[in-house]
Amino acid sequence: AQSVSQHNHHVILSEAASLELGCNYSYGGTVNLFWYVQYPGQHLQLLLKYFSGDPLVKGIKGFEAEFIKSKFSFNLRKPSVQWSDTAEYFCAVNAKSSASKIIFGSGTRLSIRP
Amino acid sequence: DAGVTQSPTHLIKTRGQQVTLRCSPKSGHDTVSWYQQALGQGPQFIFQYYEEEERQRGNFPDRFSGHQFPNYSSELNVNALLLGDSALYLCASSRQASGNTIYFGEGSWLTVV
Repeated sequence: AQSVSQHNHHVILSEAASLELGCNYSYGGTVNLFWYVQYPGQHLQLLLKYFSGDPLVKGIKGFEAEFIKSKFSFNLRKPSVQWSDTAEYFCAVNAKSSASKIIFGSGTRLSIRP
Repeated sequence: DAGVTQSPTHLIKTRGQQVTLRCSPKSGHDTVSWYQQALGQGPQFIFQYYEEEERQRGNFPDRFSGHQFPNYSSELNVNALLLGDSALYLCASSRQASGNTIYFGEGSWLTVV
């Protein structure tokens, strides 16, 4: 069955701390991988995506993620978080053959203490 | 601004009623997908419309139906509402030819009482 697992339900960090959010997926076939962010009261926004090539991808606002195929993982990282990073983060996957059907993880709520 | 517009923003319905939610895709996009996001959960795929036909469907009952119009806009209809249908309903659009980049609207909050 297709699924995405996000290991942390709620993460609390202080400003300037480093961030790593875990994501593992189970999906047959060739996939695209995504991280979306949902700020309070706003729509889902794409942080970064991996389609092919360099497994280390850089996104907006200083975020990056590394695709490790052997571990079926796509962890999100940021060296130094800011208060404005407070949001819900969703890891997601779709099949290259079925791009509109995205499978989302349950999300990780990130709270940053000023 | 993602360019995908949804209406209404919020609505309250009673159990057993029917609801229609609307979506206009981003300019240049021809494919619309609908997702349900319950509180504290990630979005779940309901179905996808392309060329006015339902192309894919997630694990949702037949009470959930949709439509796509010639101008690519779309409607999501839910019949015989249940309390458990209370959620944020998200519309996403993409262009079939380039398929992989999907844009989400801000969603319609449905509360069933």
